[in-house]
Amino acid sequence: KNQVEQSPQSLIILEGKNCTLQCNYTVSPFSNLRWYKQDTGRGPVSLTIMTFSENTKSNGRYTATLDADTKQSSLHITASQLSDSASYICVVSRGLIYNNNDMRFGAGTRLTVKP
Amino acid sequence: NAGVTQTPKFQVLKTGQSMTLQCAQDMNHEYMSWYRQDPGMGLRLIHYSVGAGITDQGEVPNGYNVSRSTTEDFPLRLLSAAPSQTSVYFCASSFLGTSGTTYEQYFGPGTRLTVT
Repeated sequence: KNQVEQSPQSLIILEGKNCTLQCNYTVSPFSNLRWYKQDTGRGPVSLTIMTFSENTKSNGRYTATLDADTKQSSLHITASQLSDSASYICVVSRGLIYNNNDMRFGAGTRLTVKP
Repeated sequence: NAGVTQTPKFQVLKTGQSMTLQCAQDMNHEYMSWYRQDPGMGLRLIHYSVGAGITDQGEVPNGYNVSRSTTEDFPLRLLSAAPSQTSVYFCASSFLGTSGTTYEQYFGPGTRLTVT
């Protein structure tokens, strides 16, 4: 079973609408949680990084929240644009010291924004 | 800066053939990694390096070799390609962020490999 579960798998919304993507994890101990945006045919690009002491972080129209007690995170996108169409990937790292082997990737949510 | 570059962008191999996926970064990052991305699954770590001359295995290392002779380059070698290695491969480089506790990671554009 994947230690990082994302929902929904895919989502279609109209341009200008808001949406929220979910990430639940079982990774322990927790170090940080990242959200990436991956355009089709491109590599992932970092949107936000949150440690256990942060419960919200914004990057323009993207706002990520973290509840370390319930092990849940969400990514809220406001006033969606066509360019928001992409996959959004949740990544959770464990431990206090970075180790490439300690990052667990979710399968992603595929967002399509229609005009 | 060009960032993280990968070549080729697409490749088709026959079962049993060998090849090397190239990865280079010009940001002087210590950490470099190779991942594979398969449909419906998260990225999985193949191999990684914490500096020139140092490499280690990730979650799915079988069938792949790496070396890191310079800070800039981190090639991934497929020794004898198998259909199960059909995937999209991403190289990434990382550095310690200003917080001192989290690493910023940059991904290359990927190589789409098909093994027939």
